[in-house]
Amino acid sequence: DAGVTQSPTHLIKTRGQQVTLRCSPKSGHDTVSWYQQALGQGPQFIFQYYEEEERQRGNFPDRFSGHQFPNYSSELNVNALLLGDSALYLCASSLEGPRDGDNEQFFGPGTRLTVL
Amino acid sequence: AQSVTQLDSQVPVFEEAPVELRCNYSSSVSVYLFWYVQYPNQGLQLLLKYLSGSTLVKGINGFEAEFNKSQTSFHLRKPSVHISDTAEYFCAVSDMFSGGYNKLIFGAGTRLAVHP
Repeated sequence: DAGVTQSPTHLIKTRGQQVTLRCSPKSGHDTVSWYQQALGQGPQFIFQYYEEEERQRGNFPDRFSGHQFPNYSSELNVNALLLGDSALYLCASSLEGPRDGDNEQFFGPGTRLTVL
Repeated sequence: AQSVTQLDSQVPVFEEAPVELRCNYSSSVSVYLFWYVQYPNQGLQLLLKYLSGSTLVKGINGFEAEFNKSQTSFHLRKPSVHISDTAEYFCAVSDMFSGGYNKLIFGAGTRLAVHP
């Protein structure tokens, strides 16, 4: 089992550009969540995808968008990059089930985005 | 809205000494609590979780945590630390009961530094 994989590992962009980050969930998982972790801070929830639809969103502007494919993989897109978008972007996958908190989220290694 | 406060940003400790990392959360009717560990340049790994039942939760790598509802705390402990425990530790709460769909809300993290 490969676990959650993310690509690329590192990325450098300039202000105003657009970026796409990719995530493949753990085998058997159908739900993907994205988090932003700025330097020295805890991860912050961006949004979650299930059945190819965004079903919950954190406090992030519309510049952040995503997509989930039929094979459950997901992309995070960020438009009009700002310096403040520099962060580690983490993808987490889980299996939808009863809302008892036991649907553990498994995290990938992240993509380090640097905006110059 | 839920929030998580990790009371110490850094905790230095000598090898084989005991350690406690403190975590407080905002009050809620029901809450699910987690501790994650992040090693350098890696994603998050679940150490332990509290969903219900016994307030003392045991996790991997010899860690345990105690849920205290009256004090809204979920402190992480280990009786004897190793050099390999040096990492960033995050406390998180699952926002399950406000339409949260397993959204995790993280604290800012505690850097545990184990010295020989």
